[in-house]
Amino acid sequence: ETGVTQSPTHLIKTRGQQVTLRCSSQSGHNTVSWYQQALGQGPQFIFQYYREEENGRGNFPPRFSGLQFPNYSSELNVNALELDDSALYLCASSREGFYGINEQFFGPGTRLTVL
Amino acid sequence: GDSVTQMEGPVTLSEEAFLTINCTYTATGYPSLFWYVQYPGEGLQLLLKATKADDKGSNKGFEATYRKETTSFHLEKGSVQVSDSAVYFCALRINAGGTSYGKLTFGQGTILTVHP
Repeated sequence: ETGVTQSPTHLIKTRGQQVTLRCSSQSGHNTVSWYQQALGQGPQFIFQYYREEENGRGNFPPRFSGLQFPNYSSELNVNALELDDSALYLCASSREGFYGINEQFFGPGTRLTVL
Repeated sequence: GDSVTQMEGPVTLSEEAFLTINCTYTATGYPSLFWYVQYPGEGLQLLLKATKADDKGSNKGFEATYRKETTSFHLEKGSVQVSDSAVYFCALRINAGGTSYGKLTFGQGTILTVHP
């Protein structure tokens, strides 16, 4: 069973640029959640996609957007990058839509540095 | 809103020492509680969980008990090893039922270093 994968591993951008991060969910999972983890902090929820639709959003501005594809992989897009967007971006997949608490499996993350 | 507070870190222990990492929470609904571990250069791994009051989660010698009366979920291990060195995160998720909204709310993390 293939786990959650993310690409790229590291990325360096300059302020004002746009970035796309990618996540492949674990086999059999239909939900992807994205989190931002600033250095020395806990992950903060950005949004979640369930069956290709946004299913909840945290306190992040609209320049953070996402997509989920029919194969349940996902993209996180960030426009007009700011210095404070420098962080580790984590993707987690899970199998939702069924009763009970469904474990979220995390990928290794993409380290984004904005200069 | 929902929030999780962990004890201030970092925590440094000698091998075979007893570990406690405190975690308290506030929640708008009825939460499930989790401990995640993050090893250097890796993503988060679920360590243990508890879904209702008085449940005890356990894994790899770690334990935590869901205490609704004190809104706490403290992590304990009787004898730590060097390989336990990592960052530990306490988290909660509100039980919405059905097609649940799976947002995890994390604490700030506690760095654990275990020396031989």
